[in-house]
Amino acid sequence: NAGVTQTPKFRILKIGQSMTLQCTQDMNHNYMYWYRQDPGMGLKLIYYSVGAGITDKGEVPNGYNVSRSTTEDFPLRLELAAPSQTSVYFCASSKKQESQPQHFGDGTRLSIL
Amino acid sequence: GQNIDQPTEMTATEGAIVQINCTYQTSGFNGLFWYQQHAGEAPTFLSYNVLDGLEEKGRFSSFLSRSKGYSYLLLKELQMKDSASYLCAVRDGDYKLSFGAGTTVTVRA
Repeated sequence: NAGVTQTPKFRILKIGQSMTLQCTQDMNHNYMYWYRQDPGMGLKLIYYSVGAGITDKGEVPNGYNVSRSTTEDFPLRLELAAPSQTSVYFCASSKKQESQPQHFGDGTRLSIL
Repeated sequence: GQNIDQPTEMTATEGAIVQINCTYQTSGFNGLFWYQQHAGEAPTFLSYNVLDGLEEKGRFSSFLSRSKGYSYLLLKELQMKDSASYLCAVRDGDYKLSFGAGTTVTVRA
């Protein structure tokens, strides 16, 4: 049972480069989320989606884009990487019911140099 | 905005009890979650409270007082593997969670 799978696990980018962080889940969850986690800080919501074709901004969306063409996949795109985007990125998914917890992937550790 | 506060660090001895407090001020409230996160790993779900009172799950218990904007996570019979960060998160009315910065618990032998 894979749950939420994120790729890659580690990546180093140069300033100005672009990349896509992949996230896929096999639990048929409607809701998916992208967070970033910086040292000493809580998880900050970047974007979220309540179903295929529907996405919305979270707390820190600037510099990122997302799409949700299928229930399973929710990729996060960085167009022009900046040092401030150095962070650990977590993808999560959950069922529709309010009491259901979010399930997290193992994270992508991204460094922008 | 959302304001969720929890202590930065706590240290306790193996076999002891530790209580991690979380206070919140949010625009709405639709449940409070506790997650455990070991260093370098993903957060994993521990507990959920939406009504006032205590929820017990083995060695872990979580308490909620909505009128006080307060929750705590109680870890009993501490084990070395409990050394981790514990995250308090509030659902403020829709599907999103707002997270506290986390409390790092260190268990000493």
